[in-house]
Amino acid sequence: DIQMTQSPSSLSASVGDRITITCRASQSISNYFHWYQQKPGKAPELLIYAASTRQSGVPSRFSGSGSGTDFTLTITSLQPEDFATYYCQQTYTTPQTFGQGTKLEIK
Amino acid sequence: QVQLVQSGAEVKKPGASVKVSCKTSGYIFTDHGLHWIRQAPGQGLEWMGWINTANGHTKWSEKFQGRTTITRDTSAATVYMELSSLRSDDTAVFYCARDREFYGPADYWGQGTLVTVSS
Repeated sequence: DIQMTQSPSSLSASVGDRITITCRASQSISNYFHWYQQKPGKAPELLIYAASTRQSGVPSRFSGSGSGTDFTLTITSLQPEDFATYYCQQTYTTPQTFGQGTKLEIK
Repeated sequence: QVQLVQSGAEVKKPGASVKVSCKTSGYIFTDHGLHWIRQAPGQGLEWMGWINTANGHTKWSEKFQGRTTITRDTSAATVYMELSSLRSDDTAVFYCARDREFYGPADYWGQGTLVTVSS
C-alpha cells in the first residue's frame, strides 16, 4: 500500500496567517493526489484535485502544488471558517489511501 | 443538485452484519462510481472500496475484502454496503462518496452513517 504522510499533524495559526501543509507519498503517484477539508461532525469536502486544481466553489486562498511524491497545500490569509482538519489522498493505486490528517487550530 | 442520502444510525452486536444504503439523486447514476470510506471515532479517513455503478465491478482494500459487499440497484439509484462479522473496532461513521471521474477523488459525500458495535 502507498503510505501518505502529512506534516505537521497539528498546527496553530491566527486569522490572516499563511500556512502550508505537506504530504509525502511513499512512492510516485504522479498527480493522482487530492486534498480534503473536514469540519467537526461533517463529511469531508474536496478542496483540491489532481494536485493543484481547485474544486468548484473553493476560494482562491487555497492552492495546491507538487507531483510525484511531494505535495503541499497552502492557505493564504486564513479565515475563521478554515480552521478544520485537512487530509491528503492518493487515487493512483488500490487501495486508495489517506494521510493521517492535519488539524488546523486557532492560536 | 447532487445529493447522497445515507440510511440511519445502527447499533449492532459483535458478529452481526450491517447494511448501509446510499441513495443518490441529481445526476446520472451510472456516470459516476461510488466510494465507501470509514472514520472511526476521533480518527482519520480510511478507504474501504469502490463500485463501478455502470457494471457493478468493485475494487477493495484487502483489509475489508471478504467481509464487505457493495451492491447497487440502478433502478433506485442506490448503492448498498454490507459489512459482516462486526467487531467493536468496526464502530465508525461510514460515508459513501461519488467519484469526480472514474475511480477519482470524491466530490460529493453522503452525510455519514454511524454504526456502533457493542454487546
